[in-house]
Amino acid sequence: SAVISQKPSRDICQRGTSLTIQCQVDSQVTMMFWYRQQPGQSLTLIATANQGSEATYESGFVIDKFPISRPNLTFSTLTVSNMSPEDSSIYLCSAGGATNEKLFFGSGTQLSVL
Amino acid sequence: DAKTTQPPSMDCAEGRAANLPCNHSTISGNEYVYWYRQIHSQGPQYIIHGLKNNETNEMASLIITEDRKSSTLILPHATLRDTAVYYCIVRVGNRDDKIIFGKGTRLHILP
Repeated sequence: SAVISQKPSRDICQRGTSLTIQCQVDSQVTMMFWYRQQPGQSLTLIATANQGSEATYESGFVIDKFPISRPNLTFSTLTVSNMSPEDSSIYLCSAGGATNEKLFFGSGTQLSVL
Repeated sequence: DAKTTQPPSMDCAEGRAANLPCNHSTISGNEYVYWYRQIHSQGPQYIIHGLKNNETNEMASLIITEDRKSSTLILPHATLRDTAVYYCIVRVGNRDDKIIFGKGTRLHILP
């Protein structure tokens, strides 16, 4: 299995600012994904973080709002830019194991925007 | 869009078997059925997955119908710690396939 660490675990931010969330995996993985979970809702896929190339965004999510970096096979960041209260959510990182047969999840970042 | 349908909520008495159904009538031949659960305020936890044969591990059993259009996750002796949202997902299961979550089933274990 893959162990995934996310930082920060929670943050309270002001409107108009940006927050960068870090995701560290304890082993090299091919696939990394970022999800958003709004209060009381299921998880929504934001994007696939591709190593060595631009992230692949799902419908409704754009790079200007959610820039993603993937500098190597164990690390990725998601930035939530120009935040508004509607961005208040849990943001989760996910990564595949050695064969990507299973995906594992970090414990999430609880973001509150005032 | 999610390719699965689950009841929004279920109750189960502590100590009894919890049987969670899932419909995936449009599943493709190379897609696996995966189950995850999310306990409040935590990231989703992998439970089990299978292609067409029934599977069992230390957490649960997965029963897939012969036509693969539906499946059932069985928690054999439910405890209060099994209270969670359970997600049934179909996924190719290879290096490139992402997970698209549906709404899941909120399982309440009753003391």
